[in-house]
Amino acid sequence: DAGVTQSPTHLIKTRGQQVTLRCSPKSGHDTVSWYQQALGQGPQFIFQYYEEEERQRGNFPDRFSGHQFPNYSSELNVNALLLGDSALYLCASSSSGIGPYGYTFGSGTRLTVV
Amino acid sequence: RKEVEQDPGPFNVPEGATVAFNCTYSNSASQSFFWYRQDCRKEPKLLMSVYSSGNEDGRFTAQLNRASQYISLLIRDSKLSDSATYLCVVNTGGFKTIFGAGTRLFVKA
Repeated sequence: DAGVTQSPTHLIKTRGQQVTLRCSPKSGHDTVSWYQQALGQGPQFIFQYYEEEERQRGNFPDRFSGHQFPNYSSELNVNALLLGDSALYLCASSSSGIGPYGYTFGSGTRLTVV
Repeated sequence: RKEVEQDPGPFNVPEGATVAFNCTYSNSASQSFFWYRQDCRKEPKLLMSVYSSGNEDGRFTAQLNRASQYISLLIRDSKLSDSATYLCVVNTGGFKTIFGAGTRLFVKA
């Protein structure tokens, strides 16, 4: 049973560029949430996708956008990258929200903006 | 005020010690509560859900106090392998789940 798969694992981008991160949820899960984790901080909620719609968003600018596909996989796009966007980006999958079993996380994409 | 607050620690304890972490949350409508464990440079992993009546899983005990809006995690007989960051997680209702900044635990021989 495949867990949550994220790609790429590491990425280096230049300020002003755009990046796309990808996530395949755990088998049987239909909800994908994206988090940003800066060094030494807890994960910060970016947004959640369910049924191909963004249904909740955290305090992130419009430069952060996403998409969910019919197979439940998801993409996170960040435009006009800033140095402060350097972080670990985590994808969490669940079944119809968080439920009683919490989230299953992927191992993350470590983004470095230079 | 942060939505979920934790003492960042670090907590430095010897093997075999009992250690407790607390976490407070600001939204009284919060519905679901969890403790996650995160090892250095790894993804968070679910340690346990927290139920209103309190619950135990081996050496780990979680408690929820809705009136005071805090949850706790107690670790008994600490092992070296318990060294990690412990994240308090609260579902605030709707579809938003908030993580605390984490409490770092170091267990020493």
